[in-house]
Amino acid sequence: EVQLVESGGGLVQPGGSLRLSCVVSEFTFSSYWMHWVRQAPGKGLVWVSRINTDGSSIAYADSVKGRFTMSRDNAKNTLYLQMNSLTAEDTAVYYCARSASGGIYLDYWGQGTLVTVSS
Amino acid sequence: QSALTQPASVSGSPGQSITISCTGTSSDVGGHNYVSWYQQHPGKAPKLMIYDVSNRPSGVSDRFSGSKSGNTASLTISGLQAEDEADYYCYSYSSISTRLFGTGTKVTVL
Repeated sequence: EVQLVESGGGLVQPGGSLRLSCVVSEFTFSSYWMHWVRQAPGKGLVWVSRINTDGSSIAYADSVKGRFTMSRDNAKNTLYLQMNSLTAEDTAVYYCARSASGGIYLDYWGQGTLVTVSS
Repeated sequence: QSALTQPASVSGSPGQSITISCTGTSSDVGGHNYVSWYQQHPGKAPKLMIYDVSNRPSGVSDRFSGSKSGNTASLTISGLQAEDEADYYCYSYSSISTRLFGTGTKVTVL
């Protein structure tokens, strides 16, 4: 069964940093594009970033560009999101998700990890 | 554009059909057939329900169907059931913003 498991969330002060991880299993990680999606408490889903199979192409939403860095380690089956200069507006559940092979849609999602930015 | 436009809420009685719209522009929804729909129950991760406008993944009930006309995509749920009560989001590739979600629609089964 395909699994995506996020970790690394927690409470961080404004201006601080946090690194999220997403460990995947039961599929060939290196063959799939991956995404981060976030959801603020009580709000809708917001696309954050995506990375291609070998990490050579990465795109970000304007709201995180310059502050967040997405990366992957195909040998470790792990996806990362380095988040810097965090503000209260970054408080959300962060999901990692897989892009179906050859497609744009997100066919598998992790359970999410909560990031809270507060003093 | 920061998000595709969906109605905030849609409701229906058990057995009825409801349709959720998702309106974008020619740069996203209207420009290609990469629209998908996701169901999200409270406290759970989203689940893919429809991809590439009108295709259903294996295991998704055939009561769910998708379509598109111009810059507006639609998700129809027929034979509404209590378990369909959830939030629904559309999602599209965008030539400007890379990827966009809709604003989300809360479906209530009366």
